[in-house]
Amino acid sequence: EVQLVQSGPEMKKPGESLKISCKGSGDSFIKYWIDWVRQMPGKGLEWMGTISPGDSDVRYSPSFEGQVTISTDKSINTAYLQWSSLKASDTAIYYCARRGVLPFLEGIAIDAFDIWGQGTMVTVSS
Amino acid sequence: DILMTQSPSSLSASIGDRVTVTCRASQSIGTYLNWYQQKPGKAPNLLIYAASSLQSGVPSRFSGSGSGTDFTLTISSLQPEDFATYYCQQTYSIFLTFGGGTKIEIK
Repeated sequence: EVQLVQSGPEMKKPGESLKISCKGSGDSFIKYWIDWVRQMPGKGLEWMGTISPGDSDVRYSPSFEGQVTISTDKSINTAYLQWSSLKASDTAIYYCARRGVLPFLEGIAIDAFDIWGQGTMVTVSS
Repeated sequence: DILMTQSPSSLSASIGDRVTVTCRASQSIGTYLNWYQQKPGKAPNLLIYAASSLQSGVPSRFSGSGSGTDFTLTISSLQPEDFATYYCQQTYSIFLTFGGGTKIEIK
């Protein structure tokens, strides 16, 4: 069974850097795009961006472009989300998710997040 | 960005009730619409994809419908484990967006 296992909770100070990870099991890791989703305390889901582990093609939400960096190391089936200078407003749970391609009509498929990591809580406070 | 608007933002219902949640897109998205369930402290879970296709392992009391700009998620007979927050998501645009969520609480 394919799983995504994320790194543990982080407590950081404003201005510090951070890199969190999302490790996939199984040899199909590079076949699917991996997405990152933010959930601020008590709030809804926000799509941040996505990466293709096979060729490291990355796309960012306009809301997060320039704020974070998404990367991958396909040799160890791992995707990353990183910040160079954290702010208190980055406090949130961050989820990675596999972007499955699900067929629903002949020749037509839809992207959907069919497997999720357990989430990484990031707390930024002075 | 395509704006996804869910209504209501919360509702109270009883076990056995039929519940409907609505999601409206700011432009036509065909059937590129997914629904997720999230329980407190847990990651979201895919329920419905392509507006009306039930994800493997999801109970048949969940159903989805709609196309274009208006979509609904229906729970035919609410069960105790269904009290959670539900999100719609469009994947029509390369910039994906979620609805604000609908929290279903026990009456």
